[in-house]
Amino acid sequence: QVQLVESGGGVVQPGRSLRLSCAASGFTFSIYGMHWVRQAPGKGLEWVAFISYDEKKKYYADSAKGRFTISRDNSKNTLYLQMNSLRAEDTAVFYCARDYLPFDSNGVGPWGQGTLVTVSS
Amino acid sequence: SSELTQDPAVSVALGQTVRMTCQGDSLRSSYATWYQQKPGQAPILVIYGKNNRPSGIPDRFSGSSSGNTASLTISGAQAEDEADYYCDSRDSSGNLLFGTGTKVTVL
Repeated sequence: QVQLVESGGGVVQPGRSLRLSCAASGFTFSIYGMHWVRQAPGKGLEWVAFISYDEKKKYYADSAKGRFTISRDNSKNTLYLQMNSLRAEDTAVFYCARDYLPFDSNGVGPWGQGTLVTVSS
Repeated sequence: SSELTQDPAVSVALGQTVRMTCQGDSLRSSYATWYQQKPGQAPILVIYGKNNRPSGIPDRFSGSSSGNTASLTISGAQAEDEADYYCDSRDSSGNLLFGTGTKVTVL
């Protein structure tokens, strides 16, 4: 079955960097667009970034532009999020999620279980 | 406007019908997608496109839209439908925008 497993979260000081990974299995990773979505404690969902199946398109939320970089390695079935210059307001559970359909931007799912990033001194 | 506004909370009696809305300018040119999130769990996709349900989603869930407003209807709500529901849409730049979320309580 489809599995998305995030890793790399933890406690980090403001201004430092962190790299999240998402290991995908159970489907042909290389034909699906992928997203990172975050959720601050007790808050709603906030889309962070998207990468197309072929890496040709990358989109970022304004809050992520210039600080976060989304990438993927289709040979390793893995999605990444490099986060630099982290701020307290970046504290959230970060979810990896797949476009529902291949080569299509209509609906996001399934989602991983998330990895918690806490930015604190 | 680049926001998607949802009612903060709605309640529904067991077995009755509830409708929740999502409003925003981006909905004039793209369909809303709907997600269900239960406490401590990741969201799951319930409606995408015009009114499509992924496999495993009960047919009591349906979506519709008119102008800048999209709606999710649960017909015959069950106790397990109690959750937070989020809409989203994609803007012309390919960015995804989530709504503010609606907490559904089944009485």
